[in-house]
Amino acid sequence: GESVGLHLPTLSVQEGDNSIINCAYSNSASDYFIWYKQESGKGPQFIIDIRSNMDKRQGQRVTVLLNKTVKHLSLQIAATQPGDSAVYFCAELTYGGATNKLIFGTGTLLAVQP
Amino acid sequence: NAGVTQTPKFQVLKTGQSMTLQCAQDMNHEYMSWYRQDPGMGLRLIHYSVGAGITDQGEVPNGYNVSRSTTEDFPLRLLSAAPSQTSVYFCASSYTHLTGVISGNTIYFGEGSWLTVV
Repeated sequence: GESVGLHLPTLSVQEGDNSIINCAYSNSASDYFIWYKQESGKGPQFIIDIRSNMDKRQGQRVTVLLNKTVKHLSLQIAATQPGDSAVYFCAELTYGGATNKLIFGTGTLLAVQP
Repeated sequence: NAGVTQTPKFQVLKTGQSMTLQCAQDMNHEYMSWYRQDPGMGLRLIHYSVGAGITDQGEVPNGYNVSRSTTEDFPLRLLSAAPSQTSVYFCASSYTHLTGVISGNTIYFGEGSWLTVV
């Protein structure tokens, strides 16, 4: 199958270090922001989301930060493991009436060095 | 519970041929959508549906048709395949709350369909 991740921004980290993946979004009217992990040859998997009226949300080993002033979203992964190696996408979810639109960003390739 | 199932997994088409990518979900989700993913890029929304009988266009709808005759199925039709439609296609579905909105943690993606148009 196709290999996704070519020509993507790449973040290379050592196993055990913390990772920070950044994303700039465009629509200030988005209601939710979501981070997905995509491993080679698979569909995106949900990691964590955050409502637009929040600025921080924590999950297991992951934290999402939202800065609406500069339209910036980040994903922090604590104690990065080799299994975290994948492409990470941020996505904006906007709804209103009969519309639910999920729009993806370009993605970042996270490479974890053992 | 199979989740979101896409067929075929791989397909090679000649320019001008038509075909249908199938998507089925067994979670009784109202919301379904199709995305394409090109190398080094994020997923781009082609078409989506908020329920049976209702479809709408996404970011890149040209060259594709959809229909939603049942809650379970959301096929994507390529009318006359072009090399520019060579891509990986993903189907997604989601539970819709009573308010009519979907939330991030209820969106499920299929495994993808790799399409090459020569």
